[in-house]
Amino acid sequence: GENVEQHPSTLSVQEGDSAVIKCTYSDSASNYFPWYKQELGKRPQLIIDIRSNVGEKKDQRIAVTLNKTAKHFSLHITETQPEDSAVYFCAAIRADTGNQFYFGTGTSLTVIP
Amino acid sequence: DVKVTQSSRYLVKRTGEKVFLECVQDMDHENMFWYRQDPGLGLRLIYFSYDVKMKEKGDIPEGYSVSREKKERFSLILESASTNQTSMYLCASSSVTSKQFFGPGTRLTVL
Repeated sequence: GENVEQHPSTLSVQEGDSAVIKCTYSDSASNYFPWYKQELGKRPQLIIDIRSNVGEKKDQRIAVTLNKTAKHFSLHITETQPEDSAVYFCAAIRADTGNQFYFGTGTSLTVIP
Repeated sequence: DVKVTQSSRYLVKRTGEKVFLECVQDMDHENMFWYRQDPGLGLRLIYFSYDVKMKEKGDIPEGYSVSREKKERFSLILESASTNQTSMYLCASSSVTSKQFFGPGTRLTVL
């Protein structure tokens, strides 16, 4: 099955700096890669996703890049704000096999004001 | 907006009790999932279902069973709760287009 590794497990940045979280996956057939943000005590919320037919997607301060050859994808947050502090999870899925998600172990991001 | 609800936010049970956790979604999604979330281990899949009465084991099905009698409802059952099942349980649902939406979670404590 799929194996998703996520790094780093914790990340602290100064407000206004950029944050980058990286994930690698093992199954070359995975074709959908969502990122979730989970604030303390709340449910994970989808913040951005990318499919395997594109290399980059951007939504305001958040972007995701995908390198299919190397089997890794990254979340980039620019101009970080204190409200970006949360745990972020990546996932990889083969959308044609029942949509079983394989999650990374999460990155706890702290943005220091 | 997709709405996924779970029957309880907090639950305290005793070792050996039978525990039912219920999840309901209102978007006619085919797929439903149960995860447990533990510090440092991320989200681990217990069971998922891609249709009524259909179920598939995830990564950690031992000690759990599930039931999906109706499309909108997916139940997780702990036949005989144990202390190592103390955790946060998250339900999720998705359509065939893959976006997965989570419920608010149930924090289960087994004493």
